[in-house]
Amino acid sequence: AQSVTQLGSHVSVSEGALVLLRCNYSSSVPPYLFWYVQYPNQGLQLLLKYTSAATLVKGINGFEAEFKKSETSFHLTKPSAHMSDAAEYFCAVSEPGQAGTALIFGKGTTLSVSS
Amino acid sequence: GAVVSQHPSRVICKSGTSVKIECRSLDFQATTMFWYRQFPKQSLMLMATSNEGSKATYEQGVEKDKFLINHASLTLSTLTVTSAHPEDSSFYICSAQRRARETQYFGPGTRLLVL
Repeated sequence: AQSVTQLGSHVSVSEGALVLLRCNYSSSVPPYLFWYVQYPNQGLQLLLKYTSAATLVKGINGFEAEFKKSETSFHLTKPSAHMSDAAEYFCAVSEPGQAGTALIFGKGTTLSVSS
Repeated sequence: GAVVSQHPSRVICKSGTSVKIECRSLDFQATTMFWYRQFPKQSLMLMATSNEGSKATYEQGVEKDKFLINHASLTLSTLTVTSAHPEDSSFYICSAQRRARETQYFGPGTRLLVL
């Protein structure tokens, strides 16, 4: 069974600092990978996704992620954090080739940004 | 495009009553909709997958007689929590997908509180 591991349940950075949120997956074939952001009491918003095209994926709000097959990782980065980036971030995986396959989510990482 | 709505956004009910939550894809037709449950400060757990016109597929441990899912049209799926109990209190989130292997778009969630 597939699984997603997000290292670090809580990451704190200063405004303007680099943001790095880690995600590792386990899958027998390269999966589709996603990063979602969730603000308090809201649903999930897609930040970016990897679907076997370019390994470096650029998303919204200045975020990007790089798919590294050798490391089975899909870490999320942003060069300079803003206060508005404070939220819960979820990495998710789905396996290509399966119709209607749901997403398997990591446990989430809470990002705090201090001024 | 790709907007998913949920109604209601928040509901409080008495123990033993039933509650219906609607999930609508507003500007696209969704062949598949998913229902997730999220406990406070935890990740999303898939409850069931529903395809338009067919019976929902429930994940292991989810009672299908308690969580009734109907996907009667390509833009609407409903989740009915029957005979709700306090332990059913949670944040319920749906997502919709146009076609297999495409991005899932999430609704804003419904917070259920059972007294």
